[in-house]
Amino acid sequence: QKEVEQDPGPLSVPEGAIVSLNCTYSNSAFQYFMWYRQYSRKGPELLMYTYSSGNKEDGRFTAQVDKSSKYISLFIRDSQPSDSATYLCAPYFGNEKLTFGTGTRLTIIP
Amino acid sequence: GAVVSQHPSWVICKSGTSVKIECRSLDFQATTMFWYRQFPKQSLMLMATSNEGSKATYEQGVEKDKFLINHASLTLSTLTVTSAHPEDSSFYICSASVAASGNTIYFGEGSWLTVV
Repeated sequence: QKEVEQDPGPLSVPEGAIVSLNCTYSNSAFQYFMWYRQYSRKGPELLMYTYSSGNKEDGRFTAQVDKSSKYISLFIRDSQPSDSATYLCAPYFGNEKLTFGTGTRLTIIP
Repeated sequence: GAVVSQHPSWVICKSGTSVKIECRSLDFQATTMFWYRQFPKQSLMLMATSNEGSKATYEQGVEKDKFLINHASLTLSTLTVTSAHPEDSSFYICSASVAASGNTIYFGEGSWLTVV
């Protein structure tokens, strides 16, 4: 079993739709849950992160963690064409290397 | 967020030559930096973890003598691809751990290497 599983997509949705991106992980010791956004030919950009279970909201983005089911989600409201990118989830112990999912390629159709 | 700068953004070199990529933390000190490699439409693959003042820790399957990593100061790590071959052409990305913000990891913009 992979440490982090993420649906690679591609995922295409119309502008304005709510997008749901999901990951599952296997190691219950992960404490931080990072989401990175990577535009084509660019390095990943930290979007947001949560610590332990719960929700965190930042503008149109909401990160959700359910440690009991080892399931993490990122929701994007009112999606915009500029949100088109690859989204990488990365559970993290907090003191070592990141463990990445495969990334989900998202396209927002105007 | 913290700023991590990579240079050069892209480089073309001849087969058999060596090329150096620099990774700098601009507004913080980075005790730990990481080097990744990414092929088109694939996820990032960790190559090595670089700690200031000590030898890098390489991931399994990564050739230490081919990918030389030096972390001489708290703001600079370098990756040197030695005797480059076309199969080394890839996107190389560094990242740095920011202790002041709970060891959050920030990435550089990446460096495109093409070996001809």
